[in-house]
Amino acid sequence: GQNIDQPTEMTATEGAIVQINCTYQTSGFNGLFWYQQHAGEAPTFLSYNVLDGLEEKGRFSSFLSRSKGYSYLLLKELQMKDSASYLCAVVDSNYQLIWGAGTKLIIKP
Amino acid sequence: IAGITQAPTSQILAAGRRMTLRCTQDMRHNAMYWYRQDLGLGLRLIHYSNTAGTTGKGEVPDGYSVSRANTDDFPLTLASAVPSQTSVYFCASSDSGTSGNYNEQFFGPGTRLTVL
Repeated sequence: GQNIDQPTEMTATEGAIVQINCTYQTSGFNGLFWYQQHAGEAPTFLSYNVLDGLEEKGRFSSFLSRSKGYSYLLLKELQMKDSASYLCAVVDSNYQLIWGAGTKLIIKP
Repeated sequence: IAGITQAPTSQILAAGRRMTLRCTQDMRHNAMYWYRQDLGLGLRLIHYSNTAGTTGKGEVPDGYSVSRANTDDFPLTLASAVPSQTSVYFCASSDSGTSGNYNEQFFGPGTRLTVL
């Protein structure tokens, strides 16, 4: 079967750095997405990785290792508005998105 | 309209009733999707459409039907609602759906449906 694993919940302090991990086992791989979802709102796109390595975009970075079936989202200089759920999703061999259950990130002052 | 709209925002429905959730996008995206999101579970694909006139089944299609008469609209119908269909429903679209060109999905604001 296909599986995406993320921690259910994480807590971090305002101004700090947090890394949210995602491991996957899917039938084929055609890229990995990270989305942010604030409570009661729709998911919004953060990043897309299809090649190994680190993609940096402002305070957010995303890393991919295809050989390990592993990705992480790195958030720097945390702000209270970063409190949200972070969803990892993999594009499988049929070009369908397989979604993880999401990681709820709680930021404390 | 800018992006994707969904209607209604929320609905309480008696079991056994028929219900259509509406979704409209103005981005001229070829692909559209319907997901349900339940607490503790990831987004689960109900149905999708790669282009107007075609539809396909996702992970959890039972009890739902869709149509894609044109590029902009992708309604989801519950023929006879059951309590297990209580969920938040998201419509999404993307400028992809064919192999070799996968782009991000844009989501509508969601419909919160309660079936009693």
